[in-house]
Amino acid sequence: GAGVSQSPSNKVTEKGKDVELRCDPISGHTALYWYRQSLGQGLEFLIYFQGNSAPDKSGLPSDRFSAERTGGSVSTLTIQRTQQEDSAVYLCASSLEGLAGARETQYFGPGTRLLVL
Amino acid sequence: SQKIEQNSEALNIQEGKTATLTCNYTNYSPAYLQWYRQDPGRGPVFLLLIRENEKEKRKERLKVTFDTTLKQSLFHITASQPADSATYLCALGGGSFSNDYKLSFGAGTTVTVRA
Repeated sequence: GAGVSQSPSNKVTEKGKDVELRCDPISGHTALYWYRQSLGQGLEFLIYFQGNSAPDKSGLPSDRFSAERTGGSVSTLTIQRTQQEDSAVYLCASSLEGLAGARETQYFGPGTRLLVL
Repeated sequence: SQKIEQNSEALNIQEGKTATLTCNYTNYSPAYLQWYRQDPGRGPVFLLLIRENEKEKRKERLKVTFDTTLKQSLFHITASQPADSATYLCALGGGSFSNDYKLSFGAGTTVTVRA
C-alpha cells in the first residue's frame, strides 16, 4: 500500500509568514510523529499523536509551533511567524501502535524542506 | 542531558570491504536501539532493532552489536556495495528517561562505497 506522504515537498516563505505542513500516515497506523532535521543535526522529536489520547507536545520548540490530527488520520503542523532558524526538513512518521516501541518500526515520509528567507 | 554521537566523519570504503559505524551515547540507558538508512532527499528507512538484553543482531549483510556497559552500538555492512552508499542513523528509545515511543537520533554517518 501507499507509504507516508507529505506536502508540500518544498516550501519557501518569508520571515514572519505562517506555514502549514501536511502529513498523510499509512492507513491503519494509529501513531503519528513529527520530527525536525536541521543540517548536520539528528532528527529532533517534535510531537506525538496516539489514537484519541492527548498528544505529547514536549518537543515543540516554541508556542509558534502547533499540530493537530483530524479524525485520527491526517496531521497538520503549523508554524506561525516563521523565523530563519525554522529552516529545516520536517519529517512525519507513523507506526502501527505507538506503544512498547521496542516492537515497532516507524515509517517515515519524504519530508518537507522549509526555507525561511 | 542525553547525548548520542556517531562517527563524526564520513566513511569512504572500497566495494567488498566491511564498513563499521559507531554509535556512542551518554547520560541514557535505552531499552532498545534502532538503525535507519537515509538517502538524499528521502526519509529514514528502518533497518534493524536491537534490545538492551541482546548482544548482536544480523540481517543479511548487516550486523549490529549493543554493549550497554560501554554504551555503544556498532553497525557493520559486510561485502559492501555502491548501493549501500547512504547516511546511517542510530536511534535510541525507551529506558528510564523516555517513553517507549520517543526516539532520540544521532546525526548520522555518511557512507560512500567506491566501485
